Amino acid sequence: GQQVMQIPQYQHVQEGEDFTTYCNSSTTLSNIQWYKQRPGGHPVFLIQLVKSGEVKKQKRLTFQFGEAKKNSSLHITATQTTDVGTYFCAGVVTSGSRLTFGEGTQLTVNP
Amino acid sequence: DAGVTQSPTHLIKTRGQHVTLRCSPISGHKSVSWYQQVLGQGPQFIFQYYEKEERGRGNFPDRFSARQFPNYSSELNVNALLLGDSALYLCASSQDLNYGFTFGSGTRLTVV
Repeated sequence: GQQVMQIPQYQHVQEGEDFTTYCNSSTTLSNIQWYKQRPGGHPVFLIQLVKSGEVKKQKRLTFQFGEAKKNSSLHITATQTTDVGTYFCAGVVTSGSRLTFGEGTQLTVNP
Repeated sequence: DAGVTQSPTHLIKTRGQHVTLRCSPISGHKSVSWYQQVLGQGPQFIFQYYEKEERGRGNFPDRFSARQFPNYSSELNVNALLLGDSALYLCASSQDLNYGFTFGSGTRLTVV
């Protein structure tokens, strides 16, 4: 079945440093979504990428979708303590179908 | 506007028992999905419903079942509970099948 791999599993940074998490799917995706889950919380939708090579920005967050629509990345510039949480990518193989989540990258930011 | 609401928030059950979890989607959202999240892992897909019809089923045993009601609310049923069913059960709704999902706060199920 479809698999979504995400690296790294953990990332510890000093406040102000940059952070990147990478996501790779075993199959070509229709779209990819990114979610953030705070400790003890639930996943919160960040963004959806649909087009090959698409790049979207949300303030300090930059999301990319690979040309082959099999990989994606999330980059945070100048991390803040409010960025703490686990970032999940979730792939959709057929539009409108299930989300297949990666294992997530747990981000810790030291002030 | 209320978000996705799930009940109960916490539940403790004994092995072999049955459990029903409930979810009310955001008003106007027609798609409801259920996910199981074990501590330290990503959510795993269980079911998806759209317009009251099952649109997908994940790799879970037949002990798991779900349905969506005319008002788009949904319930997840799990029979013959096992210790391994202990997890956070998340409900997510979307206004359409091609939008991102809004997750509820989940039901924390503990099976003892």
